[in-house]
Amino acid sequence: QLQLQESGPGLVKPSETLSLTCTVSGGSITSSSYYWGWFRQPPGKGLEWIGSIYYSGITYYNPSLKSRVTISVDTSKSQFSLKVTSVTAADTAVYYCARLVSTWYAFDIWGQGTMVTVSS
Amino acid sequence: QSALTQPASVSGSPGQSITISCTGTSSDVGGYNYVSWYQQHPGKAPKLMIYEVSNRPSGVPDRFSGSKSDNTASLTISGLQAEDEADYYCSSYTSTSALGVFGGGTKLTVL
Repeated sequence: QLQLQESGPGLVKPSETLSLTCTVSGGSITSSSYYWGWFRQPPGKGLEWIGSIYYSGITYYNPSLKSRVTISVDTSKSQFSLKVTSVTAADTAVYYCARLVSTWYAFDIWGQGTMVTVSS
Repeated sequence: QSALTQPASVSGSPGQSITISCTGTSSDVGGYNYVSWYQQHPGKAPKLMIYEVSNRPSGVPDRFSGSKSDNTASLTISGLQAEDEADYYCSSYTSTSALGVFGGGTKLTVL
């Protein structure tokens, strides 16, 4: 059964870069049927789709974050990663990775989420 | 402001039925059958409950159903149970973005 697990620092200083990795286990990251996505959820607020990536490296970003976000994939490690530059307190959130079933256009498997706090 | 509009809250008593609406435009909800619904309990990751407007993934109780009319999608939960108390989010493919769009979420309270 495929599982996703986020990892990375839980505390990042303002103006620095937030870096997270999502490890895919129990299945293939290179399947043509799926995309891989990053979401975030500030405390007490709704979900925000940050962006998505295909195993070939094709990426799609939320225009509101595009200038600060990079999503990449490492198929040899079954991982995909998120980088957000120049973070502020507004980037404090729980960050989730998830699998998008392309034929459904729905995210069927989610990681447990990881809390990232931006603070000095 | 979210691209899809959901009521902030709904409530119902155990055994009753409730419906959560999700209103978009002809560029998203109304134009495609790619509406999905997610359930999120506090401190937990979202869980896919409905995809392609009305399909349930394996393991989701048939008390959960989805439908769509024009630019509005709906999630109906029948035979409400205490464990259904959670936040619910709708999502849709959109022709205006490479990413889909989400609603702001609806908090369901089981009285």
